[in-house]
Amino acid sequence: AQSVTQPDIHITVSEGASLELRCNYSYGATPYLFWYVQSPGQGLQLLLKYFSGDTLVQGIKGFEAEFKRSQSSFNLRKPSVHWSDAAEYFCAVASDTGRRALTFGSGTRLQVQP
Amino acid sequence: ETGVTQTPRHLVMGMTNKKSLKCEQHLGHNAMYWYKQSAKKPLELMFVYSLEERVENNSVPSRFSPECPNSSHLFLHLHTLQPEDSALYLCASSQDMGLNEKLFFGSGTQLSVL
Repeated sequence: AQSVTQPDIHITVSEGASLELRCNYSYGATPYLFWYVQSPGQGLQLLLKYFSGDTLVQGIKGFEAEFKRSQSSFNLRKPSVHWSDAAEYFCAVASDTGRRALTFGSGTRLQVQP
Repeated sequence: ETGVTQTPRHLVMGMTNKKSLKCEQHLGHNAMYWYKQSAKKPLELMFVYSLEERVENNSVPSRFSPECPNSSHLFLHLHTLQPEDSALYLCASSQDMGLNEKLFFGSGTQLSVL
């Protein structure tokens, strides 16, 4: 069965610093991978997704993620964090075997210090 | 505004009450979902509807009863809930059930069971 692990429950970075949020997935074939962001009191919003082609994908709000098959990872990055990026970030995977709907990780809460 | 509206935003109910959560999407999508978000746990998929037909029931207790009268509306009927059912209930929709589909989420209903 597909699964997603986000090893970091909580991360704090300074405004302007770079950011990397980790995501590891467990799935045999090529997965469909997503990053969503949830601001307080809101639903989730898609940042970016990968399902084929270039392994470095660009998303909204200056985020990017890189698919590394050898490491079963899909880490999210941003070169310079803004205070408005404080939120919870969820990695998710979909597969073409078994359940088709998204499986989400447990999330990483990002705090941004001034 | 994502085009997915959930009401009510907050709900407090006793264990013997019956209540319903409502979700409406204005995007012309064909698939709708209920997710449960509990503290420090991954989002749990509860139900999936595609073209008003339930296509997935993820081992959800019978005290949760979904209804999809048309492709724009989704309900979650609640009865004799337990305190552990307290959570944020998120509704989402997507154009179809393709693996690379983007989910559009509502802001959720924060449910407290006393």
